Amino acid sequence: SQQGEEDPQALSIQEGENATMNCSYKTSINNLQWYRQNSGRGLVHLILIRSNEREKHSGRLRVTLDTSKKSSSLLITASRAADTASYFCATPSGSGGSNYKLTFGKGTLLTVNP
Amino acid sequence: KAGVTQTPRYLIKTRGQQVTLSCSPISGHRSVSWYQQTPGQGLQFLFEYFSETQRNKGNFPGRFSGRQFSNSRSEMNVSTLELGDSALYLCASSPGQLHSPLHFGNGTRLTVT
Repeated sequence: SQQGEEDPQALSIQEGENATMNCSYKTSINNLQWYRQNSGRGLVHLILIRSNEREKHSGRLRVTLDTSKKSSSLLITASRAADTASYFCATPSGSGGSNYKLTFGKGTLLTVNP
Repeated sequence: KAGVTQTPRYLIKTRGQQVTLSCSPISGHRSVSWYQQTPGQGLQFLFEYFSETQRNKGNFPGRFSGRQFSNSRSEMNVSTLELGDSALYLCASSPGQLHSPLHFGNGTRLTVT
């Protein structure tokens, strides 16, 4: 079953604009992670936010987490054409205390037009 | 530090055949996990190994199997290939600790004809 669900499915903006993507999940989590994937390539980890954190920044990225609403958002500020990619949220679950069965959403396809 | 290396990059097989994919994790990473990515189902977890032991398994048929060697390198095998097995297979490694993110390879693109 899908744990993380991103919204919107696709987003097209102009360079310099901000892009916001949302993610909802269903069960309790230890952390929530965001990844980026350029077409046909592997995923690149962007940022991890723990369940006891509400906001986290990394460069032009800002992630928020609302555990009461089971939702997270990823904000990319001052977007660039190179930010064009699919963005996924992922939540971990797993047996035996491990956390490496990540469940991914379907992703948001971000297109940044020059 | 070298990243996660997956070989081969592309593979074309015929229905009924079997295939083995290889993954070399980042040095020092003891956890290796595998994911299947298709346009219809998205990213789906296959299995995860830590120190040669399978810790987690996804909902895939027994035709999908894997293993991890003492040097943390991992292989996954798919037997009796079906058309629906065509996908991008991604391997990821991590130190295996809570809150450690995954580092992905660029995947193996498998096409079954």
